[in-house]
Amino acid sequence: NAGVTQTPKFQVLKTGQSMTLQCAQDMNHEYMSWYRQDPGMGLRLIHYSVGAGITDQGEVPNGYNVSRSTTEDFPLRLLSAAPSQTSVYFCASSTTDSLYGYTFGSGTRLTVV
Amino acid sequence: DAKTTQPPSMDCAEGRAANLPCNHSTISGNEYVYWYRQIHSQGPQYIIHGLKNNETNEMASLIITEDRKSSTLILPHATLRDTAVYYCIVRVPRSGNTGKLIFGQGTTLQVKP
Repeated sequence: NAGVTQTPKFQVLKTGQSMTLQCAQDMNHEYMSWYRQDPGMGLRLIHYSVGAGITDQGEVPNGYNVSRSTTEDFPLRLLSAAPSQTSVYFCASSTTDSLYGYTFGSGTRLTVV
Repeated sequence: DAKTTQPPSMDCAEGRAANLPCNHSTISGNEYVYWYRQIHSQGPQYIIHGLKNNETNEMASLIITEDRKSSTLILPHATLRDTAVYYCIVRVPRSGNTGKLIFGQGTTLQVKP
């Protein structure tokens, strides 16, 4: 099915560990982004990309890195996991003008202990 | 992006129409009204959008008042699977900015048997 695929769905990390959350889309969307959602709160933008080779910071980028080597993939790297990064992470994509909205993945639930 | 106001919660009987209101009195001429929903633990899902005219798709209808200061999302025959948080977002389709979506508190719609 066309859409945004996120892996893994669940992950438990120890403080200080690093890992990569994967995001892939097969809709040829230029724009991709990462959000985090904490309990009872709205989504906060971490990083975004307007095309391959171009990335930029959102409102909460500290502790995360991204790269965009292809149109399809936009991985999110946690450099040194902290308990404050316990959250649900969503990847989203859209066409350049996002006129028809964003397509979100099903999320990765991350727990840092 | 213009600010939106939605009731925090609503109930609807299964099979009946669910009418979710949204106020956006400061909307500007080039801002669209978008609706998303988030079913528990899933990624947000785009439902519909509109600028001036009423819109309908396979999921819902969007009614925008003539002065564009408010709108109503209509789910014509609500089912238990429509139980979710519904977000009304007013924004200009992204053009050169972060593409950040601002999800407010939304309306929690509970569809009851």
